[in-house]
Amino acid sequence: GAVVSQHPSWVICKSGTSVKIECRSLDFQATTMFWYRQFPKQSLMLMATSNEGSKATYEQGVEKDKFLINHASLTLSTLTVTSAHPEDSSFYICSARPKSSYNEQFFGPGTRLTVL
Amino acid sequence: GESVGLHLPTLSVQEGDNSIINCAYSNSASDYFIWYKQESGKGPQFIIDIRSNMDKRQGQRVAVLLNKTVKHLSLQIAATQPGDSAVYFCAESLGGATNKLIFGTGTLLAVQP
Repeated sequence: GAVVSQHPSWVICKSGTSVKIECRSLDFQATTMFWYRQFPKQSLMLMATSNEGSKATYEQGVEKDKFLINHASLTLSTLTVTSAHPEDSSFYICSARPKSSYNEQFFGPGTRLTVL
Repeated sequence: GESVGLHLPTLSVQEGDNSIINCAYSNSASDYFIWYKQESGKGPQFIIDIRSNMDKRQGQRVAVLLNKTVKHLSLQIAATQPGDSAVYFCAESLGGATNKLIFGTGTLLAVQP
């Protein structure tokens, strides 16, 4: 149980294009999902907190117009990197918190984004 | 031993030895702490957690120790195996409405056969 999937697992795109990453909780409902970014040999940095049916809360320094988050259902959140540039290349990881839980977060396998 | 520099801190141990990975957390109000294991190219995997009202929690081959006085957390791995080689992160839970996690810098555990 408590499986979180991400799609795609990796993506290569040209500079200036937009990329959408999906995060799904497969066997539980998640009222809250979190999006993280991880650069090589660094820690996970929280980008935003996404609550079902409401606007995402972004961390300081994260551009909300650049990283669009939609959490339309209790099992799906999407992150769209708009007008991607090489500096957006990173490993993007989502996590999902079950509806019944306060502390738990289950992590997805991550999405490797490479912008050429 | 441990080394800290421009790269991820690394702990190198011999197979079969015990490992101790340390972490300093930042917020004295944090009430829940978790250790994660991350293998290359994968998402974090839960190892063990501890609440702030405890000093130690024991798992099957792992244990977590919490020292709130100095805001320090450690992960102990007994009889370290090659499959334990990975990056280990501690995370603190800030509580409140969103109860988000803040991750530490991470330690690369390298197990030598």
